[in-house]
Amino acid sequence: QKEVEQDPGPLSVPEGAIVSLNCTYSNSAFQYFMWYRQYSRKGPELLMYTYSSGNKEDGRFTAQVDKSSKYISLFIRDSQPSDSATYLCAMSGSGITQGGSEKLVFGKGTKLTVNP
Amino acid sequence: DSGVTQTPKHLITATGQRVTLRCSPRSGDLSVYWYQQSLDQGLQFLIQYYNGEERAKGNILERFSAQQFPDLHSELNLSSLELGDSALYFCASSVALQGMTDTQYFGPGTRLTVL
Repeated sequence: QKEVEQDPGPLSVPEGAIVSLNCTYSNSAFQYFMWYRQYSRKGPELLMYTYSSGNKEDGRFTAQVDKSSKYISLFIRDSQPSDSATYLCAMSGSGITQGGSEKLVFGKGTKLTVNP
Repeated sequence: DSGVTQTPKHLITATGQRVTLRCSPRSGDLSVYWYQQSLDQGLQFLIQYYNGEERAKGNILERFSAQQFPDLHSELNLSSLELGDSALYFCASSVALQGMTDTQYFGPGTRLTVL
């Protein structure tokens, strides 16, 4: 079983739709959870960051973590064509180390297309 | 623009050859990470350096090596290249303050094609 599983999609939605992206994981040591957005031919950029379980909201984006189910989600409200990208979940163990965070373990990414 | 620069953008080479990828971290960032991204494997962590020293190792092949120089730029060396090494190679950097989980900022990547 892979440490992080993410449905690769592709996912195609109309503009204005609510998008739900998900990842499951198997390593209970993960405590830090991130969502990265990667546009075509670009490097990943951090979108959302959460610690342990709970919700975090930032504008149209909401990240949810359910550690008991080992399941994380990213919701995008009122999706826009500019949201079309590949979304990668990432997670790490402790992060509290001297000299930098532990390695990030990424999902394979979900390709999202928002149609105008 | 993340502030992380990578050169070259594209690299085409033949099997058996050796290449060097270069990364300059954001100003002030002490930690550099290397990742490989392929269609079938996704984004895989290779290695991390912090202030010139190797800090963490991931799924890095023995044919690959890296170093971080005193000016904090880093190089990833790939040798005896195989077709399967064709991928996007990303460098990321972070501040890496003790006691904090910090954000990794990614560069634009180097696309390596091995023919």
